[in-house]
Amino acid sequence: GQSLEQPSEVTAVEGAIVQINCTYQTSGFYGLSWYQQHDGGAPTFLSYNGLDGLEETGRFSSFLSRSDSYGYLLLQELQMKDSASYFCAVKRAGSYQLTFGKGTKLSVIP
Amino acid sequence: DSGVTQTPKHLITATGQRVTLRCSPRSGDLSVYWYQQSLDQGLQFLIQYYNGEERAKGNILERFSAQQFPDLHSELNLSSLELGDSALYFCASDTPNTEAFFGQGTRLTVV
Repeated sequence: GQSLEQPSEVTAVEGAIVQINCTYQTSGFYGLSWYQQHDGGAPTFLSYNGLDGLEETGRFSSFLSRSDSYGYLLLQELQMKDSASYFCAVKRAGSYQLTFGKGTKLSVIP
Repeated sequence: DSGVTQTPKHLITATGQRVTLRCSPRSGDLSVYWYQQSLDQGLQFLIQYYNGEERAKGNILERFSAQQFPDLHSELNLSSLELGDSALYFCASDTPNTEAFFGQGTRLTVV
């Protein structure tokens, strides 16, 4: 089976940097993805790591280490609109089933 | 706009009833996923179809069923509804080497 663990809640100050970690137990997956979901909205794709290392997309960066079964999402220059839930996800090899972690609720405070 | 269309957006129905949720994937996407999200909960994977065939099954109740049609749209059928089935139901689509795109969801309220 697959399981992904992430913190349930994180609070950070506007303008600061926050890191959301994701540890996983899975075998055979294509890469680690991150999705953002505002309350009541649809999850939207943020970032994908197919290989180990850091991927940067604007204020967001994501990291993957397959040897450590670990990844993280880094959000810089936090803005109030970044308050949302963030989910890590893996796509299982073969079936391409996308499995999500339980999500981290980020609250950005002034 | 993700390109994934879900209808209806809202649905209110009584316990014991049956409803059908519909999803049209992005043009060119062969995979359709269905997820259930209860209040303040994560995305629970229900079922995946790929080009008309069931590809993977998650925690889907026997009262729930789905299918994908030749035009690739998909329907999720929920029957004998219970209060606990009230949730947001999301459909997503992708191709094997791309990220998944989600529809805006159907908010189901069972009263």
